[in-house]
Amino acid sequence: DIQMTQSPSSLSASVGDRVTITCRASQGISYHLAWLQQKPGKAPKSLIYDASSLQSGVPSKFSGSRSGTDFTLTISSLQPEDFATYYCQQYNSYPITFGQGTRLEIK
Amino acid sequence: EAQLVESGGGLVQPGESLTLSCVASGFTFSNCWMSWVRQAPGKGLEWVANIKYDGSEKYYVDSVKGRFTISRDNAENSLYLQMNSLRAEDTAVYYCARSDFNYAAAFGFWGQGLRVTVSA
Repeated sequence: DIQMTQSPSSLSASVGDRVTITCRASQGISYHLAWLQQKPGKAPKSLIYDASSLQSGVPSKFSGSRSGTDFTLTISSLQPEDFATYYCQQYNSYPITFGQGTRLEIK
Repeated sequence: EAQLVESGGGLVQPGESLTLSCVASGFTFSNCWMSWVRQAPGKGLEWVANIKYDGSEKYYVDSVKGRFTISRDNAENSLYLQMNSLRAEDTAVYYCARSDFNYAAAFGFWGQGLRVTVSA
């Protein structure tokens, strides 16, 4: 199975900050990586697919990139509604696997 | 507007069965791979199973193989998860999710989720 390792596990930031979350795949997954946002008690929301393509309706403050098996999600100009848990997910091979999540909290 | 509405959750005892349903609207269901993803209390997301748009391919996480069956009825725009021999570790919120861009599991849209509790 492909292991997806996110860092950090939690992150404190202030409104207006720019933050970066990293996800490392245990083996090559090409660009088949998605980023999801989940708020407490709510369903996940898909933000990015194919490592760097924004889902429809997702603001451009969210961006993704890839370098080999390392992937990053960058969120610019944090707003209160951005504080949530973020997951990466690979869909290159079965079983489909998720990172353990990064909890983004208000400082 | 796309919608995925799950139903069928609840409290069951270990060893019992339960069937989850997910009704889709607002998009062409028969064109999409569909998945079930679960989240145990306080834990992260776990993919459970997916099914090709025509039902011809199905895949499962190892922990549910032989116990869970994913199926779909494109005429009814419905996705199902038959869960047998339920265990305490199957306790979770279960989400149905639509995959986009002709991928098998690039989730573009999620249902609201439903809770399944397995407890004596």
